[in-house]
Amino acid sequence: QTVVTQEPSFSVSPGGTLTLTCGLSSGSVSTSNYPSWYQQTPGQTPRTLIYGTNTRSSGVPDRFSGSILGNTAALTITGAQADDESDYYCILYVGSGISVFGTGTKVTVL
Amino acid sequence: QVTLKESGPALVKPTQTLTLTCTLSGFSLSSDGMRIHWIRQPPGKPLEWLARIDRDDDKFYSTSLKTRLTVSKDTSKNQVFLSLTNVDPVDTATYYCARTATTVTYLDYWGQGMLVTVSS
Repeated sequence: QTVVTQEPSFSVSPGGTLTLTCGLSSGSVSTSNYPSWYQQTPGQTPRTLIYGTNTRSSGVPDRFSGSILGNTAALTITGAQADDESDYYCILYVGSGISVFGTGTKVTVL
Repeated sequence: QVTLKESGPALVKPTQTLTLTCTLSGFSLSSDGMRIHWIRQPPGKPLEWLARIDRDDDKFYSTSLKTRLTVSKDTSKNQVFLSLTNVDPVDTATYYCARTATTVTYLDYWGQGMLVTVSS
């Protein structure tokens, strides 16, 4: 069974930069996995940040960017703000019509 | 205005079959590239992708749950259904439907989600 792994938690200071990663148990992540990133605050529906590796969803500030970093997908947040404090999930297409969400990263801004 | 809305029982007993409906509005399931996904999230836990149905009726399932899941659609009613057999308390979760119309992982519209509790 394919597992998509993210850092469990991350802390960043206001104004700081953080890079979250999304790895695949079966090998390297590539653009063919169409990595996308979602932000979720408690009790809310997930919000799309990035899709297809590096395309920002409508209304998402350019502080958020997506890339492939080595053998993982990556979400970079620059100039962290208090309201970036959320859970972040990646999702990868793993083939045969199946997608898999990552384990999620809880980001704290302090 | 594009909306999706989940409906179904809020409480299900162990071993029963859970059936949920996703009613689509503001777009057609038969549109080019349209796919509807089911996702769930147990309380305090990560999102889990469950299944997908495409406009041409192709169906795909999570590897870990495929023996228990069935997804189907009624295009005339613009509805998508998810059945999960032999439910257990670990299936307690908020169940979401969401659509992709372009990139397969770009879930651009989500339903509000529906909490389903499995308990006797």
